[in-house]
Amino acid sequence: AQKVTQAQTEISVVEKEDVTLDCVYETRDTTYYLFWYKQPPSGELVFLIRRNSFDEQNEISGRYSWNFQKSTSSFNFTITASQVVDSAVYFCALRPSGGSYIPTFGRGTSLIVHP
Amino acid sequence: DAMVIQNPRYQVTQFGKPVTLSCSQTLNHNVMYWYQQKSSQAPKLLFHYYDKDFNNEADTPDNFQSRRPNTSFCFLDIRSPGLGDAAMYLCATSRAGARDMGEQFFGPGTRLTVL
Repeated sequence: AQKVTQAQTEISVVEKEDVTLDCVYETRDTTYYLFWYKQPPSGELVFLIRRNSFDEQNEISGRYSWNFQKSTSSFNFTITASQVVDSAVYFCALRPSGGSYIPTFGRGTSLIVHP
Repeated sequence: DAMVIQNPRYQVTQFGKPVTLSCSQTLNHNVMYWYQQKSSQAPKLLFHYYDKDFNNEADTPDNFQSRRPNTSFCFLDIRSPGLGDAAMYLCATSRAGARDMGEQFFGPGTRLTVL
């Protein structure tokens, strides 16, 4: 069975602060994908990043960065210099890279960025 | 632009009155999913199609049905909506198989209100 835990239900920051969203996962699969999605108030889930389990390189995309650590089964997401437009619910998800293509989602973390 | 389209964005129905939500995609993905999402919760998978093969989740009520007449379109039918069915309904697609890249692409959702 797979499990994704996003322990932070809600995070509130002031604009320009850095913020890290935590994601911890459990799986018995040896190869898998990890994802982050953003869901703004409009409702659509927007794909942000995919990480293969065999690729532990961290990734940076503008103000976004992701820290994948297989040893601790974590895939954390950091937003640097947060902006009001970053306010959304962020979901972490996991699925095996072979076999089932159905992802398991975490419960989501609601990020509120105050001006 | 290739995308996932859902119509309508907002749907109001009466208790017990059948309703159909629609989803179309121009991504030519072979898998289409329907999720139900209630406030402050993760999306909950109702069912999905892998090509023409229908896959129902074990806990999806019989009240929910789906049709996929072709690759591009998928419909969610709620035969007798109850107050508890009021939610956001999200359609998603992915490419499974040899060119599987893992991530799902979501439509903007249909927010269903049951009066």
